[in-house]
Amino acid sequence: EVQLVESGGGLVQPGGSLRLSCAASGVSFSDDYMNWVRQAPGKGLEWVGRTKDKANSYSTEFAASVQGRFTISRDESKKSVYLQMNSLKTEDTAVYFCAREGYSSGPDFENWGQGTLVTVSS
Amino acid sequence: QSVLTQPPSASGTPGQRVTISCSGSSSNIGRNYVYWYQQLPGTAPKLLIYRNNERPSGVPDRFSGSKSGTSASLAISGLRSDDEADYYCAAWDDSLSGPVFGGGTRLTVL
Repeated sequence: EVQLVESGGGLVQPGGSLRLSCAASGVSFSDDYMNWVRQAPGKGLEWVGRTKDKANSYSTEFAASVQGRFTISRDESKKSVYLQMNSLKTEDTAVYFCAREGYSSGPDFENWGQGTLVTVSS
Repeated sequence: QSVLTQPPSASGTPGQRVTISCSGSSSNIGRNYVYWYQQLPGTAPKLLIYRNNERPSGVPDRFSGSKSGTSASLAISGLRSDDEADYYCAAWDDSLSGPVFGGGTRLTVL
C-alpha cells in the first residue's frame, strides 16, 4: 500500500522560510515523479511543482507563482521529497499536499498525503 | 481565476444523474488528457478519472468522463449521499508547462 506522509508545516512570518517533507512508502520512488499541490483555505487546488524520476535526472519544474522562491529536492535513501519555501508571502498560506504522479502522461496524481498546513502571517 | 472553468455548484437527488462541466482552451484540454478528482470534506483529493474517461481500480462505473474539443464532463449516475464532495478537473497546459486545475464544483445531494 502506498503511503505519503507530509510534515513540517506551521506558522511563519512573511519573508521567512520553511521546509516541508514528504516520506513515501510502498513505492519504487526512484521511478516516480513527485509533486507538491497546495490548497488555500476555502479555495481550489494549485500545482506548485515537481521532481521527475531518476531517468530524467530528478529535474524540477515549478509554477510561475513560486518559481525562484521554492525548490524541491529528494533523498532516495529515505524515500523522501522536500519542498524548500523561501521569501514566503501571505498568499502562500495553504495546505500543502505531496502527490505521486502516475504514468499516463498527465496530472494523474494517484496517491496523496494527508497535507500539512502552512500559515504565513505576522 | 482558474485556467479551467467549472460551475461552482451542482446538485441532484439520490438516484439521479448529474454532470459537471470543465471548459479550457487549445493549450490544455484541446490537446491533452483530462483528469477528475473527488475531494471529500477534510480529506485529500482522490483520482476519479484519468486520460479523459478511464477509471482507476476501485472507482465505481457510476463515474464516467468525456471530452470534446476544449471541454470535458464528468457524469455521476445513481447519485448517492456519499458522492457529496468537491470535484476538480485538471489537464496539462502546454503554454504554462504545468498542470492546471478547475476551480472546483461542490456537489450537493439533496
